[in-house]
Amino acid sequence: NAGVTQTPKFRVLKTGQSMTLLCAQDMNHEYMYWYRQDPGMGLRLIHYSVGEGTTAKGEVPDGYNVSRLKKQNFLLGLESAAPSQTSVYFCASSLRAEQFFGPGTRLTVL
Amino acid sequence: GENVEQHPSTLSVQEGDSAVIKCTYSDSASNYFPWYKQELGKGPQLIIDIRSNVGEKKDQRIAVTLNKTAKHFSLHITETQPEDSAVYFCAASRRRRERGYNKLIFGAGTRLAVHP
Repeated sequence: NAGVTQTPKFRVLKTGQSMTLLCAQDMNHEYMYWYRQDPGMGLRLIHYSVGEGTTAKGEVPDGYNVSRLKKQNFLLGLESAAPSQTSVYFCASSLRAEQFFGPGTRLTVL
Repeated sequence: GENVEQHPSTLSVQEGDSAVIKCTYSDSASNYFPWYKQELGKGPQLIIDIRSNVGEKKDQRIAVTLNKTAKHFSLHITETQPEDSAVYFCAASRRRRERGYNKLIFGAGTRLAVHP
C-alpha cells in the first residue's frame, strides 16, 4: 500500500494564478483532511470530508475550495493564489482516531 | 475558541537523557490526545495517543501522561537517541463516537535535538 500520496511535491505560483493539489489514499478511509503548516503555528485544518461527495470548512478555509468526487481522492484548489498562501500543505486520512499524513506539498506564491 | 499550547518550542538534550514536552488544552470536552513526530521533509506520524479515561500510557521509551483537572498532557522520552531528533506535535480533539471524524487542534510543535 502507498498510504497517502500528494502531488505535486513542490510548486511555485505567481499571485493570481490557480492550481489544484491532489491527495490520494489507498486505505479505504472515509475521512480526509487538508492542513497547512506554517512556522511556529503547527498544523491548521483548511477543509475536511467525512465521505465521498461531502466537504466541510475547517479553521482556515478562506481562499481554498475542495472536492471529494471519489472516496480515494481529495482535491484542494486555489482559485487566485496570494502570497499569504505560501505554506506546506498536508493531506491526511483516517478510518478511526489515527490520522495518516501524506508527505506534503511545498507551495510558494510570489 | 479551541486552543492547544505547547512548550518548549525547542529542546536540546544529550543522548541518553530524558526529554519532556508539555501541552495545555482549552476545551474541557477534549477526550483524545495524540502525539505526532515529524521528520525533516516528511509528514507527521502518530507515535502515541491517550484517551481521557486513562492517566498514563507507555510504549517502550515513550510515555504520555494526562491531567484532566489541569487540562495538561505531556510526552516523556527516556534514553533519547539521535534518531529521536524531529519536531513533535501534540493535539487534542473531542471524539463523539468510537468510529468517527476527529477535528484535531495541534500545538505549535517542539523541535527536539538529541546530541551524540
